[in-house]
Amino acid sequence: EIVLTQSPATLSLSPGERATLSCRASQSVSSSLAWYQQKPGQTPRLLIYDASNRATGIPARFSGSGSGTDFTLTISSLEPEDFAVYYCQQRGRTFGQGTRVEI
Amino acid sequence: QVQLQESGPGLVKPSQTLSLTCTVSDDSIRSGGYYWSWIRQHPGKGLEWIGYIYNTGSTYHNPSLTSRLTISIDTSKNQFSLKLRSVTAADTAVYYCARDTRGNSLWGQGTLVTVSS
Repeated sequence: EIVLTQSPATLSLSPGERATLSCRASQSVSSSLAWYQQKPGQTPRLLIYDASNRATGIPARFSGSGSGTDFTLTISSLEPEDFAVYYCQQRGRTFGQGTRVEI
Repeated sequence: QVQLQESGPGLVKPSQTLSLTCTVSDDSIRSGGYYWSWIRQHPGKGLEWIGYIYNTGSTYHNPSLTSRLTISIDTSKNQFSLKLRSVTAADTAVYYCARDTRGNSLWGQGTLVTVSS
């Protein structure tokens, strides 16, 4: 089974700063990788699918890149509402352990 | 607007079977192109994929759970279900059902299941 490892575990940043989150797969997943955002008490929200495509309604400050085993989620300029936990997922299957983006 | 709703007991005794059903508010469960997923989240922890099923009945399970797991679908009732056998306290979690397709992921609100005697 493919294992997804996210880094860092916690990212401490300020509004307006750039966030760069990493997800590494134990073997190639091609481009079949998604990113989710979860806020406390809420269900996860799909941000990015197929590694680099924004889901409907997701702001342009969110972008994804990568293929094979190494993927990145970038938030170009953090808004207050972006402080949350972010998970990568092999499409429909395994999740990474999450990265918390905190102030 | 399509909605998914989990239902089932909130409390299950150790060694018993956890049974949950997800009811889909439209008939998309009969369509191809979606996989119908179960995910859980232990208190204060990350997301754990449990498994999914297609409308054809084909299933894919998390290898760590497959020996205890059954996922089934009833397209006539717009429902799919989860059964997890021989539960322990480690199975205490919020259980989510979800409808996934390329570019779209719709989740139920989740239901907390506690395993305790």
